[in-house]
Amino acid sequence: QVQLVQSGAEVKKPGASVKVSCKTSGYTFISYHIHWVRQAPGQGLEWMGIIKPSSGIISYAQKFRGRVTMTRDTSTSTVYMELSSLTSEDMAVYYCARERDSWYYFDYWGQGTLVTVSS
Amino acid sequence: QSALTQPPSASGSPGQSVTISCTGTSSDVGGYNYVSWYQQHPGKAPKLMIYEVSKRPSGVPDRFSGSKSGNTASLTVSGLQAEDEADYYCNSYAGSNGYVFGTGTKVTVL
Repeated sequence: QVQLVQSGAEVKKPGASVKVSCKTSGYTFISYHIHWVRQAPGQGLEWMGIIKPSSGIISYAQKFRGRVTMTRDTSTSTVYMELSSLTSEDMAVYYCARERDSWYYFDYWGQGTLVTVSS
Repeated sequence: QSALTQPPSASGSPGQSVTISCTGTSSDVGGYNYVSWYQQHPGKAPKLMIYEVSKRPSGVPDRFSGSKSGNTASLTVSGLQAEDEADYYCNSYAGSNGYVFGTGTKVTVL
């Protein structure tokens, strides 16, 4: 069965970076894109960007450009999202989600990773 | 890219219908037939309910339906059931701007 399993909760200090992983299984890794979406406490969903594992092509939401890096490891079918220069506003649950090329929707989601930013 | 506009809340009694709107612009909702809807229960990951404006994934009850007119998409839940109580988010492809979510609507079953 399709699974997207994310790494565990993180606690970071302001100014630090966090790297969240999303390990996929149950499907052909390079056939689907991975998106990252975050949700601040009590707030809505926010799209951060997409990585295409087949090519490594990346597109980030303008808000996060310069601060986010998405990478993939095809040998382990894992995608990573690193966010730098963390502030309290980055405290959120971060989700990875799958999209088949040109489907334009997210059919499977990871369980979410809580990132806490606190001094 | 501004979030799509949804009403903060909607409610209905069991068996009734509720409709949630999702208003964007010609650069997102109005420009593409790539609107999807997600249901999110507290503490859980979102779940796909509708894609490409009005299509239902396998396993989603036919009580859920979607439509679009101009820059506004809508999700209707007919025959409300207790388990439909959740937050609902629309999403639209926005071309070179990627994707944009709606502000979210909390549906309460009275």
